[in-house]
Amino acid sequence: QSVLTQPPSASGTPGQRVTISCSGSSSNIGNNFVYWYQQLPGTAPKLLIYRDNQRPSGVPDRFSGSKSGTSASLAISGLRSEDEADYYCATWDDSLSGYVFGAGTKVTVL
Amino acid sequence: QITVKESGPTLVKPTQTLTLTCTFSGFSLSTSGVSLGWIRQPPGKALEWLALIFWDGDKRYSPSLKSRLTITKDTSGNQVILTMTNMDPVDTATYYCAQGSAFGELYYWGQGTLVTVSS
Repeated sequence: QSVLTQPPSASGTPGQRVTISCSGSSSNIGNNFVYWYQQLPGTAPKLLIYRDNQRPSGVPDRFSGSKSGTSASLAISGLRSEDEADYYCATWDDSLSGYVFGAGTKVTVL
Repeated sequence: QITVKESGPTLVKPTQTLTLTCTFSGFSLSTSGVSLGWIRQPPGKALEWLALIFWDGDKRYSPSLKSRLTITKDTSGNQVILTMTNMDPVDTATYYCAQGSAFGELYYWGQGTLVTVSS
């Protein structure tokens, strides 16, 4: 049971906007940066968003991150078939003194 | 160009100790702000963070696995070793190493290595 709560699944049709939530607490999201990772089927995870809302070089601006209080969100606009993947939020937890991942959200493009 | 790659046994027996090596290039673990972490993923399940070592030698471990884990820097300077004692079939997973920063983001990931625990 992760300390970060994500919906197990999300879906949308091509071109739609999909939002994934990540809920935590004051000891993790509320006091630390949030990261998002994309894991395409059969591949290693890839950093998608860092420090709440920053995109690494090469990540399309269709992906955006935001944070408010103890919750964070990842939005995918203009959904494409290649966005079908598992998405994980992550952050540092001060109480655990360790890094924590959410349980992941599987995004399906209908 | 930064690369990281995991290596180690593909099969270990229950109660044995697992030793995994992360070999990296394109950066120095002695550079301020750099870290290297280990993460695992059981088949069909979520990512689980295991351990992190920072440029200054600071080490952090998953609280639930702390008693079984040790992360060290090899004297060669371009390898980090993770040992996990008392392996159990539930430890069957793909083990990843990843280069990151002091803030926590894990930028560059290896391809992962699948470790199966079975007698």
